[in-house]
Amino acid sequence: GAGVSQSPSNKVTEKGKDVELRCDPISGHTALYWYRQRLGQGLEFLIYFQGNSAPDKSGLPSDRFSAERTGESVSTLTIQRTQQEDSAVYLCASSLAAGGNLYEQYFGPGTRLTVT
Amino acid sequence: ILNVEQSPQSLHVQEGDSTNFTCSFPSSNFYALHWYRWETAKSPEALFVMTLNGDEKKKGRISATLNTKEGYSYLYIKGSQPEDSATYLCASFNTNAGKSTFGDGTTLTVKP
Repeated sequence: GAGVSQSPSNKVTEKGKDVELRCDPISGHTALYWYRQRLGQGLEFLIYFQGNSAPDKSGLPSDRFSAERTGESVSTLTIQRTQQEDSAVYLCASSLAAGGNLYEQYFGPGTRLTVT
Repeated sequence: ILNVEQSPQSLHVQEGDSTNFTCSFPSSNFYALHWYRWETAKSPEALFVMTLNGDEKKKGRISATLNTKEGYSYLYIKGSQPEDSATYLCASFNTNAGKSTFGDGTTLTVKP
C-alpha cells in the first residue's frame, strides 16, 4: 500500500524566503510527526499531531516554524524568513496512534532543504 | 530532559561477523523504546517496539533486548551481511504520548 509521501523532495531557497513542506501520511494513521536532521546531527523532534488534540509543538526551534494538519490527513510545515541554519532534511512520519508503546512510526522520504 | 546515547558511533565489520551495539536512555519515567534502521537514500524503517523490562525481540538475524531498570537496550546482528549496512537508531518515549528522543545512531558498515 501507499506509504508516507513528502513534497518537494528537494528545495533550494534564498535566505529570508518562506517555504512550505508537505506530508501525506498513511491513510488511517491518526498520529503525524515532523523531525529534522541537520548535517552531522541526529533526528530532532519538531512537532506531532494526534487526531483532534492540540499538537505538541515543544520541539519547534523558533516562532518562524509552524505546522498545520487538516483533520487526520495532510500536514504542512512552514518556515518563515528562512535562515541558513534551517538547512536540513525534514522528515515526516505517521503511526496508528501516538502511544509510543504500541505503534512504530512510518517515515516518508524526506525533504532536503537548502537555504543559500 | 531526555538524553539518549548510542554507542559506538560507527562500526566496521566483516561479512559473517556478529555484532552488537547499545542504546542508553534515562530509566525514570520510561514508557517505550523503538529501534529503527536507516539505509542511505531511504527512509528510516521500524525494527522493534519494546516496552517491558527483560523484553527480547527478534526479526531474522536481528534481535534486541531491553533493560528498563538500568536504562539500556542492545541490538544484535548475527552473521552480518553487506545489506545490513545502515544507521541504527533508537528512540525513547517517556510518556504515553508522541514525543520521543532519538539517539544519534550507530552506523554499521559490513565489508564483503
